[in-house]
Amino acid sequence: KAGVTQTPRYLIKTRGQQVTLSCSPISGHRSVSWYQQTPGQGLQFLFEYFSETQRNKGNFPGRFSGRQFSNSRSEMNVSTLELGDSALYLCASSFGSLVTDTQYFGPGTRLTVL
Amino acid sequence: GENVEQHPSTLSVQEGDSAVIKCTYSDSASNYFPWYKQELGKRPQLIIDIRSNVGEKKDQRIAVTLNKTAKHFSLHITETQPEDSAVYFCAASSYSGAGSYQLTFGKGTKLSVIP
Repeated sequence: KAGVTQTPRYLIKTRGQQVTLSCSPISGHRSVSWYQQTPGQGLQFLFEYFSETQRNKGNFPGRFSGRQFSNSRSEMNVSTLELGDSALYLCASSFGSLVTDTQYFGPGTRLTVL
Repeated sequence: GENVEQHPSTLSVQEGDSAVIKCTYSDSASNYFPWYKQELGKRPQLIIDIRSNVGEKKDQRIAVTLNKTAKHFSLHITETQPEDSAVYFCAASSYSGAGSYQLTFGKGTKLSVIP
């Protein structure tokens, strides 16, 4: 079974621009979660989508948004980029519930904001 | 919301020794505690998890213990090997309403196994 994939793997943007990241979950998985990883901060939860609906949201500003399509693929958008948005963005998929089903991570998208 | 503290932030051990990483959580309703290993430049991968109805779980050289009363859980790695060198993250589930849960992660422990 193919793993979680993310595109692009690397991205360089300038302040004020916007960016869209994509995540394709494992086939059959309906839950997709997004995390921001920065050095020393661990993984910070952005949001989770399940069956095209946002089920959970972390404490990030409204510049961070996402959506999920009927095939469970998910996109994350960041508008008006700031230097502090430079990070590794990871998505993870699971079959359903995060407490009964293992969450599998993608390789991440490394975003650099100049 | 849930808060997860992880200690130590860095840990160096000699090959063959044991390593212990500890995490505390704040939400007494949390009932699922996974541990992830992230090697340099790679994605986090689940190595072991434990649920609140179990006090200890073991998988070869790796074990996790859970103390629900004290709200802390620990990862134990015995007979460490150089390939155990990585960053380890603990996490705890928290209920977010409407039947959904969220995982809150600790900040990670960088384990270095010295040959």
